[in-house]
Amino acid sequence: EDQVTQSPEALRLQEGESSSLNCSYTVSGLRGLFWYRQDPGKGPEFLFTLYSAGEEKEKERLKATLTKKESFLHITAPKPEDSATYLCAVQAWGGGYQKVTFGTGTKLQVIP
Amino acid sequence: ETGVTQSPTHLIKTRGQQVTLRCSSQSGHNTVSWYQQALGQGPQFIFQYYREEENGRGNFPPRFSGLQFPNYSSELNVNALELDDSALYLCASSLKNTEAFFGQGTRLTVV
Repeated sequence: EDQVTQSPEALRLQEGESSSLNCSYTVSGLRGLFWYRQDPGKGPEFLFTLYSAGEEKEKERLKATLTKKESFLHITAPKPEDSATYLCAVQAWGGGYQKVTFGTGTKLQVIP
Repeated sequence: ETGVTQSPTHLIKTRGQQVTLRCSSQSGHNTVSWYQQALGQGPQFIFQYYREEENGRGNFPPRFSGLQFPNYSSELNVNALELDDSALYLCASSLKNTEAFFGQGTRLTVV
């Protein structure tokens, strides 16, 4: 069974204090790994797609990387508006069916 | 703003009833997926439709069913509602095998 584990569950940072969120996965037939941001009461907002080990993508203060077993979301000099839950998801193909598995997320709080 | 719209935004149903949730996909997208998100949890994949055919399903019982229409809008139907079905139901649209864009969700409460 496909598994996605995110750590830490919660992270509290001072404004400007850089850190990384981890997403480890066990899946066969990986088609892609996605990072999303979710604010309370809203649907997830797409951030990045990574398809193969070694791939990196950047957007403003965020950078996502991918290895064969895990992905990292690096946050550089975060601001209070970066506070949200960050979700990781893997898309895989198996048994003739496509399936998406999400982790439980990392709740990030950035304090001014 | 992703262009994916869901209705209704909130809904209260009684245990044993049936419910239909609706989703309009982002323009040009031919794939729609549905998710259930309990409080404090990540979204759980229910199923996916591509060009009106189901092409992916998670570990949900048959009382969760869906439809995708020729205009790529979609419905999620849940029969014989249980208290544990209370959750945020999310619809996401995409092109096949690409990133999905989510709607704001329907908050379903079963009493």
